[in-house]
Amino acid sequence: TQLLEQSPQFLSIQEGENLTVYCNSSSVFSSLQWYRQEPGEGPVLLVTVVTGGEVKKLKRLTFQFGDARKDSSLHITAAQPGDTGLYLCAGARDDKIIFGKGTRLHILP
Amino acid sequence: DSGVTQTPKHLITATGQRVTLRCSPRSGDLSVYWYQQSLDQGLQFLIQYYNGEERAKGNILERFSAQQFPDLHSELNLSSLELGDSALYFCASSVGPHKTGELFFGEGSRLTVL
Repeated sequence: TQLLEQSPQFLSIQEGENLTVYCNSSSVFSSLQWYRQEPGEGPVLLVTVVTGGEVKKLKRLTFQFGDARKDSSLHITAAQPGDTGLYLCAGARDDKIIFGKGTRLHILP
Repeated sequence: DSGVTQTPKHLITATGQRVTLRCSPRSGDLSVYWYQQSLDQGLQFLIQYYNGEERAKGNILERFSAQQFPDLHSELNLSSLELGDSALYFCASSVGPHKTGELFFGEGSRLTVL
């Protein structure tokens, strides 16, 4: 059983469209991170959310932590081809940093 | 550039063999994490070290072992290799053992077992 479930697994949309990907768990996390990974490279940290209900913005990306600190979402406005990649959420629990399987996003020009 | 260095980048070996993967953390980081990434399993946590001591253990096989040395670099040893061990192995580092999950990853070592 995956501790962090990400959905959808795959998403292919046209440039300019908006999208939301989700990271869900039945467990509470003290914090949650979003990473982006490109082929042949390691994941790169995008953001950390700590407080239930917290919203953080990074240019066209909006991250939200659920009120109960069990889930998170990533919303991208006006997606661009440069947003293509694997988006991973991660949570810290018992000194372990656990990752979801990711959402593979492909933005078509 | 994350500041985390992993060697080798690519490694091809045969079943039954043993390999060692090496990681140098970012300057100033005391914690090192090892992950295995395969297409079907995603990023699987293997083990974490903090300042030379094992801090947390994940789904690490008994055939695998790791250590962190006084200069803070870490090595992951994989022995009696099987075809299923073929994967990307990532090392990540962080400042301390805190639980914020802010990790800095190396570029990975791609292991192919034939």
